[in-house]
Amino acid sequence: DTGVSQDPRHKITKRGQNVTFRCDPISEHNRLYWYRQTLGQGPEFLTYFQNEAQLEKSRLLSDRFSAERPKGSFSTLEIQRTEQGDSAMYLCASSSRTGERNTIYFGEGSWLTVV
Amino acid sequence: KQEVTQIPAALSVPEGENLVLNCSFTDSAIYNLQWFRQDPGKGLTSLLLIQSSQREQTSGRLNASLDKSSGRSTLYIAASQPGDSATYLCAVSPETGGTSYGKLTFGQGTILTVHP
Repeated sequence: DTGVSQDPRHKITKRGQNVTFRCDPISEHNRLYWYRQTLGQGPEFLTYFQNEAQLEKSRLLSDRFSAERPKGSFSTLEIQRTEQGDSAMYLCASSSRTGERNTIYFGEGSWLTVV
Repeated sequence: KQEVTQIPAALSVPEGENLVLNCSFTDSAIYNLQWFRQDPGKGLTSLLLIQSSQREQTSGRLNASLDKSSGRSTLYIAASQPGDSATYLCAVSPETGGTSYGKLTFGQGTILTVHP
């Protein structure tokens, strides 16, 4: 069990460029979540998947954001035409209803800086 | 809309002191409550999870309590150590449960500093 992995850990991009983050959940977990965290704030829910199905999206997820989990394993979060307000840490998490009853495991996050 | 508030926003204590962190939530219809630890620039580590039917959970020097009806939780840390310095976040999941229990609402966190 290698935990939840996120890549890249840090990304600096110019305003208007597209960026993509990848998340590899814990292997037996069928549920995957994306959160966004800005400095001094708690994480905010963006979206979640059960297997390959995207079951809910927050209103925070504008049209410029898209998330996929094509084979029910890894997931990608793409931000198109980045804006300075997108600068944040993007956290991925996964969980399973077996074992440790609903505990959610977070990755180390992907820091995005839009300049 | 669920709102979670944590008090205090920051806390500085000498090593060895016992301390309490507070968390309150506006909607008592929760599935569970979790306390997380976050080190600077890092992800979140789950410390304790309390199901809505439970009153408390303990792990080592940590004890978390839950009063669902009043919308409150506390995290008690005994005999604090410098290594406990971090941000502590509480989060609640909605009572709808099912597949949405991972849709957490977080507080802003309490920044804890334990000095030698």
